[in-house]
Amino acid sequence: GQQLNQSPQSMFIQEGEDVSMNCTSSSIFNTWLWYKQDPGEGPVLLIALYKAGELTSNGRLTAQFGITRKDSFLNISASIPSDVGIYFCAGPIIQGAQKLVFGQGTRLTINP
Amino acid sequence: GAGVSQSPRYKVAKRGQDVALRCDPISGHVSLFWYQQALGQGPEFLTYFQNEAQLDKSGLPSDRFFAERPEGSVSTLKIQRTQQEDSAVYLCASSPRFVPHNEQFFGPGTRLTVL
Repeated sequence: GQQLNQSPQSMFIQEGEDVSMNCTSSSIFNTWLWYKQDPGEGPVLLIALYKAGELTSNGRLTAQFGITRKDSFLNISASIPSDVGIYFCAGPIIQGAQKLVFGQGTRLTINP
Repeated sequence: GAGVSQSPRYKVAKRGQDVALRCDPISGHVSLFWYQQALGQGPEFLTYFQNEAQLDKSGLPSDRFFAERPEGSVSTLKIQRTQQEDSAVYLCASSPRFVPHNEQFFGPGTRLTVL
């Protein structure tokens, strides 16, 4: 089935650094979603992307929908301790479908 | 308003026991989803309801898994004769009828441990 591959799998950074992570697929996606999951909680939607080439920001977060529609990037600027968590990319398995497929996640750890 | 709630938050079962996991979606949300999240992995789709109709159950791993949403609101995921490989976090998500594509709101999950 379709798979989303996220890299890196984990990141260890200093507070204040910028972060960049990406998500790739062998298949075309028409929607890209970025979620964050804190320990013991469910994923929370951060950014949604709907058009190839789209660049969207949400505070210190910026995400881009790759022009090939097979990848997406998430950047976090000036990281703070509350950015710690696991970041997932996700998208609908087939166009118009309700169910989502998720990547395996990027775990972000911040050293104060 | 209140988000998606799930109960219990933690469940320990002996192998072979039946378990029932409950999801209360956001009031008025039409769509309801169940996902299974193994340790260190992303969520994987199990099943989807629109109101009381189960429109997709392609992700249920075996016939031991059963989900229902009889009145189009609360949903229950039942696992019969639990096995150790069923140990995971079970996430419920809901979304309203008119929403940008695929924006789903997740509950905190139920962590199931099968001994």
